[in-house]
Formats: sequence, structure tokens, C-alpha cells
Amino acid sequence: AQSVTQPDIHITVSEGASLELRCNYSYGATPYLFWYVQSPGQGLQLLLKYFSGDTLVQGIKGFEAEFKRSQSSFNLRKPSVHWSDAAEYFCAANTGRRALTFGSGTRLQVQP
Amino acid sequence: EPEVTQTPSHQVTQMGQEVILRCVPISNHLYFYWYRQILGQKVEFLVSFYNNEISEKSEIFDDQFSVERPDGSNFTLKIRSTKLEDSAMYFCASSADRVGNSPLHFGNGTRLTVT
Repeated sequence: AQSVTQPDIHITVSEGASLELRCNYSYGATPYLFWYVQSPGQGLQLLLKYFSGDTLVQGIKGFEAEFKRSQSSFNLRKPSVHWSDAAEYFCAANTGRRALTFGSGTRLQVQP
Repeated sequence: EPEVTQTPSHQVTQMGQEVILRCVPISNHLYFYWYRQILGQKVEFLVSFYNNEISEKSEIFDDQFSVERPDGSNFTLKIRSTKLEDSAMYFCASSADRVGNSPLHFGNGTRLTVT
């Protein structure tokens, strides 16, 4: 079955520190991959997406993600975290015209 | 930037009552979706809609659910007889093309509380 896994339920980092959020997928073929962010009480905002080509994709708010086919991963990174980055982050995937499958989310807490 | 708007932001209803959640997708988008997120759980797909018909639905989307695009702008989700376990945040989304070719844009959600 197709699935998206985010192994870390909760991560705490200090402001200014680097961040990496993990995402693994299980699909028969390489899916389209997405990272969304959800601030409290808000909807889901697209951070970045990977369709094909360059495996390092840049997104909004200084985020980037790297697609690694050999590891079936699409980890989200940011070199220096800001307090406003505290939110829940969802990795998602789909193939073709099928609906998006979301991971269970990683809640990011930023310490001053 | 165009947005997906959802109303109401919070709806409280009694078990067994019908509710209609409303969404206005981005105007030039053709694909419409409903997702839900039970508190503390992952975002789950309910249904996708294109060309005035359901294009895909999940096992969650049973006979108590229905969707409609009653006019050129609104996209609604109806829950016929609500159950306690329907309490969740319901997100509407739209995309210009099928997912994979263009990303989904989500609304801020409607929090449904069934008492």
C-alpha cells in the first residue's frame, strides 16, 4: 500500500539552529512529493514540491528539501530556524491523478 | 494571492443533525477536494471532484457524505446524519490541474464539533 511516513512526531530545536525533518515514502513508482506547513488554527500552506529533475528543491520561507531515490526519502531542511517556524509540518505524496496521501506530521517547537 | 475560503470556521451540531460545510475554491481551479483531520491525527483524504462528478473517494466517504457544486463558485460537503466521530477539522482544497501536475491550495478549515 502507498504510504508516507514521518518518523518524528515532535522535534524541538533552538532558534538559529539547523533543522531536518524526515519523510519516507512507499510507492511503486516515484511519486510527486510535497511539504506543507500548518500553523495553529490555520490551513495547510505549501512549502515546496518535487515533480522531477533537480533533486534539491527550494521552497518558501528558506526551506529546502532533497529527494533521494535510493532512500525513498524527501527530507525537509532549513539552515537556521526562526521562532515563527514553530508549526506542524506534513509530508505528502501522490502519483498521477490520485489523491494526496499525508504523513502523520511532525510538530516543531522552537526554543529561544 | 487567490485563496480558498471556507465557512463557517467553527460549527457545532448535535448528533444526528445534518451539516453543510461550504467552500469557495480559487476561481480558475478545476479540481476540488475535501480532507479531514481528526484532532491530533493525520490529514485524511475524503473525496475529489472534477467536471461535476466525484473522481475519487476514500473509504471514509460513505453514504452519509455527499458533495455538490451548486453554482459556479461554491463547493459543499454535506454530512447527512452526524456522528460523534465526525468531529474533526475539515479542509477544502482546489488545484488548477490534477494533483501531481499542480499543487493543492487549502482553505483554513472548518472545525466541526458534534455533541
